Amino acid sequence: AQSVAQPEDQVNVAEGNPLTVKCTYSVSGNPYLFWYVQYPNRGLQFLLKYITGDNLVKGSYGFEAEFNKSQTSFHLKKPSALVSDSALYFCAVSPLPDTDKLIFGTGTRLQVFP
Amino acid sequence: DSGVTQTPKHLITATGQRVTLRCSPRSGDLSVYWYQQSLDQGLQFLIQYYNGEERAKGNILERFSAQQFPDLHSELNLSSLELGDSALYFCASSVDGSGTQPQHFGDGTRLSIL
Repeated sequence: AQSVAQPEDQVNVAEGNPLTVKCTYSVSGNPYLFWYVQYPNRGLQFLLKYITGDNLVKGSYGFEAEFNKSQTSFHLKKPSALVSDSALYFCAVSPLPDTDKLIFGTGTRLQVFP
Repeated sequence: DSGVTQTPKHLITATGQRVTLRCSPRSGDLSVYWYQQSLDQGLQFLIQYYNGEERAKGNILERFSAQQFPDLHSELNLSSLELGDSALYFCASSVDGSGTQPQHFGDGTRLSIL
């Protein structure tokens, strides 16, 4: 079955430190990959995507993600965390050929401490 | 602001009842998606419409139905409601249904079944 795994329910990091939120996927073919962020009582907001090309993609708010085909991973990173980055982060996969569907991970809560 | 409008924001009703959730997509977006978010199931794709036609179906119950109207707004109808239907229901829209473009989410409708 096609799936997305976010192995950490919560990630804690001090402000100013680098952060990584992990994502691995299990789908056939070369999927499209996305990261979204959700703030309390709000809908998901798009951060970045990987469709093809350079394995390192840059997105909104200083976030970036690295696609690793051999490890089937798409980890979200930021060089210097902000308290305002504290939110729920979702990795999502759009598997070929059913690219209309998004399969979401279970989410990782990022807590950035001052 | 994502540009996707969902109404109502909150809905409280009883078991056995029927409700309608409404979504207005971002201006110019042809594709509408519905998702259910709950603590135990996470974020689940329900159904997608593209320019008025059903495009993809996910884990949508037979008691649930949706449609997209000529003005591109969409409605999700939930009937014979059960306690387990209590959840946050999101609508998202994208410019096309290719899967390469990000989905833009509304702030959701919180449905509570008493």
